[in-house]
Amino acid sequence: DGGITQSPKYLFRKEGQNVTLSCEQNLNHDAMYWYRQDPGQGLRLIYYSQIVNDFQKGDIAEGYSVSREKKESFPLTVTSAQKNPTAFYLCASSMRRTGASTDTQYFGPGTRLTVL
Amino acid sequence: AQTVTQSQPEMSVQEAETVTLSCTYDTSENNYYLFWYKQPPSRQMILVIRQEAYKQQNATENRFSVNFQKAAKSFSLKISDSQLGDTAMYFCAFMGWLKAAGNKLTFGGGTRVLVKP
Repeated sequence: DGGITQSPKYLFRKEGQNVTLSCEQNLNHDAMYWYRQDPGQGLRLIYYSQIVNDFQKGDIAEGYSVSREKKESFPLTVTSAQKNPTAFYLCASSMRRTGASTDTQYFGPGTRLTVL
Repeated sequence: AQTVTQSQPEMSVQEAETVTLSCTYDTSENNYYLFWYKQPPSRQMILVIRQEAYKQQNATENRFSVNFQKAAKSFSLKISDSQLGDTAMYFCAFMGWLKAAGNKLTFGGGTRVLVKP
């Protein structure tokens, strides 16, 4: 089955610890994204990558880091510098735009991070 | 910067009836994409429908249709023959045309839809 997987589904972290969230896709998509969702709110973009070994900051990148060493993988590290990391994290991917195609983003199931 | 506004925090509808969700956006771009995503209690984000701004025809996907008013910067979603499985949060989202923008999605705050039996 083609799709996007995120692991773990639930993650607990102590204050001061870094933690890495996994995102893998087998859709052969070039672009990948990380979003954060707080209760009762929409999604906000953390980081995105349009190609391997390249990524850009989104609207709320402070306290987060990413890497893109492989096309299918885009892990997100939540560092101790992130002041309020408890949230729901969603990963997405899309094809690069060519001709008339649209870059619809498809989402993974998400990871719920709780800082204790 | 683009903004997306959903003015209805919550709506309820009887099963088999129709409900319309509103969305307005602000942009200076002429070409762009608009989306509606559904987020059920599982929290998975599911694409419902998409609209390209250069197309005048409103998009339709089975029981879901949009009313796209480009001049008014309005993009409403109509759910016809509502089903219990339609109960979810619905998010309107904007994506600019320019590749330099990185294909970023800007989301509204969401509308919670409750379908009652």
